[in-house]
Amino acid sequence: SQQGEEDPQALSIQEGENATMNCSYKTSINNLQWYRQNSGRGLVHLILIRSNEREKHSGRLRVTLDTSKKSSSLLITASRAADTASYFCGLEDQGAQKLVFGQGTRLTINP
Amino acid sequence: NAGVMQNPRHLVRRRGQEARLRCSPMKGHSHVYWYRQLPEEGLKFMVYLQKENIIDESGMPKERFSAEFPKEGPSILRIQQVVRGDSAAYFCASSPTGRDTQYFGPGTRLTVL
Repeated sequence: SQQGEEDPQALSIQEGENATMNCSYKTSINNLQWYRQNSGRGLVHLILIRSNEREKHSGRLRVTLDTSKKSSSLLITASRAADTASYFCGLEDQGAQKLVFGQGTRLTINP
Repeated sequence: NAGVMQNPRHLVRRRGQEARLRCSPMKGHSHVYWYRQLPEEGLKFMVYLQKENIIDESGMPKERFSAEFPKEGPSILRIQQVVRGDSAAYFCASSPTGRDTQYFGPGTRLTVL
C-alpha cells in the first residue's frame, strides 16, 4: 500500500538560507500535493505536481518530481521567519482519490 | 469565495457522548474528504464523499463512525459513544473534481474527557 515519508523530520536554518525537504513514496501516483501547516492550524495548499510533470514553481517555492526514483523535493528559497511550519506531501494514488500523508518535516527559520 | 468551513472549531465531549462535526465545502465543490490527525503525526484519510454518496470509506473505523454529505447542507462526521482515543484534530477538505487540489478547512479539535 502507499506510504509517504518526508525527510528530514526536522530542519533548522538561518533566515535567508534555502530550505530543501524531500518526500519519497512506494507506489505510482496520480499527483503529489505539498502543504504547509502552522502549529494548531489547518493545512495550506502550496503546489500540486502531476505525475507527467517534472518541475513547478510558485514564488519562492520550487517543487521537483522524479517518478523513476519515486521522490519529490520542495525548495524554499530566501527563507523567512514566517516560513516556520510543518510541511507535508500528500500522495494521490492512481485509481484512488484520497491523499496519503507522511509525518511531515518541521522547519524552523531562525532570525 | 469563502474557503472550507468547519464547525465547531473545538469540541469537548465526555466518554460515551456523541460528537457531530460539520464541514461546508468551498462553493462549487462537490467532493469532500475527511482526515484525522493525532498530535505530532500526519493526516490519515477517513472517508471520501460526493453529494449523497460515500465513494471510499476505507479509512473509517468499522464501528461508531459514520459520515454523510446530503443533497442540501454540510457534510457531517458523526462519532457515537466517543472514547479517549478519539481525541484528535479532524480535518475536512474539498475539491471541484475528484483529481484536483484538495483545499482544507481549519479543523475541529475534539477532546474526549
